[in-house]
Amino acid sequence: DAGVIQSPRHEVTEMGQEVTLRCKPISGHDYLFWYRQTMMRGLELLIYFNNNVPIDDSGMPEDRFSAKMPNASFSTLKIQPSEPRDSAVYFCASSSALFEKAFWDYGYTFGSGTRLTVV
Amino acid sequence: SQKIEQNSEALNIQEGKTATLTCNYTNYSPAYLQWYRQDPGRGPVFLLLIRENEKEKRKERLKVTFDTTLKQSLFHITASQPADSATYLCALDTGGFKTIFGAGTRLFVKA
Repeated sequence: DAGVIQSPRHEVTEMGQEVTLRCKPISGHDYLFWYRQTMMRGLELLIYFNNNVPIDDSGMPEDRFSAKMPNASFSTLKIQPSEPRDSAVYFCASSSALFEKAFWDYGYTFGSGTRLTVV
Repeated sequence: SQKIEQNSEALNIQEGKTATLTCNYTNYSPAYLQWYRQDPGRGPVFLLLIRENEKEKRKERLKVTFDTTLKQSLFHITASQPADSATYLCALDTGGFKTIFGAGTRLFVKA
């Protein structure tokens, strides 16, 4: 498996524009997570899915943020409209189900991230 | 609210020595705790997971301890190498998959 694949790797956009980040999880993983990393706040969980269903979106900062998982192999995180304070590295991660041996042995697998800059 | 503290200052050690990183937490009783490595421009990479009923776990040159009374985990890298230089993140669950991460400790291993 090629691991968790995110695109694009870098995104520069102007304030007010719509931004869509994409993620392909590891095949067979039941859980998908979106995290955001900044120097000030570190890694923050935004939302996570189980079997394509959003389970907890309490970390999503505002209504400007939305996430979808239309099938087991694809998820998007959308920001509309984008603002300069949204600038960060956004990571997607996937994992096996909790309490499965695969989770104890391998934890979360993160993608390489998308560095978003809103100017 | 849940709080995780890791050494905010970078840790500098000589090659061959043992590096020890600390993770302290408050206000919660996690069922498990994880350690990740992160290199610049890359995503975190899973290293070890230790459960609340495990006192110690080892993997090659890595060792993790978990003291639920002290609310502390220690992460050790024995026979450290320059390639071990990275940021190490502690992560603990707050219920289900709501994992929170510490800010990380930067480790520099000098040849």
